[in-house]
Amino acid sequence: AQSVTQLDSQVPVFEEAPVELRCNYSSSVSVYLFWYVQYPNQGLQLLLKYLSGSTLVKGINGFEAEFNKSQTSFHLRKPSVHISDTAEYFCAVSRMDSSYKLIFGSGTRLLVRP
Amino acid sequence: GAVVSQHPSWVICKSGTSVKIECRSLDFQATTMFWYRQFPKQSLMLMATSNEGSKATYEQGVEKDKFLINHASLTLSTLTVTSAHPEDSSFYICSARGTSGPDPTDTQYFGPGTRLTVL
Repeated sequence: AQSVTQLDSQVPVFEEAPVELRCNYSSSVSVYLFWYVQYPNQGLQLLLKYLSGSTLVKGINGFEAEFNKSQTSFHLRKPSVHISDTAEYFCAVSRMDSSYKLIFGSGTRLLVRP
Repeated sequence: GAVVSQHPSWVICKSGTSVKIECRSLDFQATTMFWYRQFPKQSLMLMATSNEGSKATYEQGVEKDKFLINHASLTLSTLTVTSAHPEDSSFYICSARGTSGPDPTDTQYFGPGTRLTVL
C-alpha cells in the first residue's frame, strides 16, 4: 500500500520569502509523484509532477520540487512567494500500474502574509 | 490544457431525495474518471473509479447502492447520491484521465467540485 505524509498542516510565511512544503511517501512499488494546489471552494490544479528522468521538476507559478528516492521525499519549493499563493497544497502519489489511483496527503495550508 | 467540468457547482436538497452530479471532460476523451469526497479542511478520499462502459470500482467502505456511478460515454460520468442524508453533505470532486489529448501520461485533471448540502 502507498501512503503520503505532509507533516506541516499549516505554513505561515511572509510575502517574498522562500518556502518549502514537505512531502514524504511510502510505497513498495515505484510511483509517480504529484503536487496539486486547491484554492478556496475550487477543485485541484496540477502544479507539477515527477514521472521519471531529472529529479528536479519545475511547475507552474514558479514552483519546483525535487524527488529524493533515498529519502522518499518530494518537497515543494518556491524562492519567493506572493499573497496569491495562499492556498491548500496536496502531495499525491500513484502506482505505476493500470490503477492510476491517486493517494493524497493530508494537505498543507500555505498562508502568505504581507 | 485539459478541462473537466462539473454540474452543478452547488446543490441543496432535502433529506431523502436523490441528487445527480455530472462530470464532463470538455476537450479530451476520458477512459477513466474518479470520484472523490472532501470533508472540510481535509484531504480528498477516493470513492470510486469509473471506466467507460463498465461497472465502477468502489473503495472499501463506500456504499455502492448509495453512490451510483455511471460512465456512459468517454466524456461523461455521473454520480447519484441516493436517499441523501445530512451526513452525505460534502464537497464532491471528479477527475478524469485521458488516453489521448494534450497529455497522454499518467495525469488526472480535476473538476471544480460540487458542494452538496443535505438539509
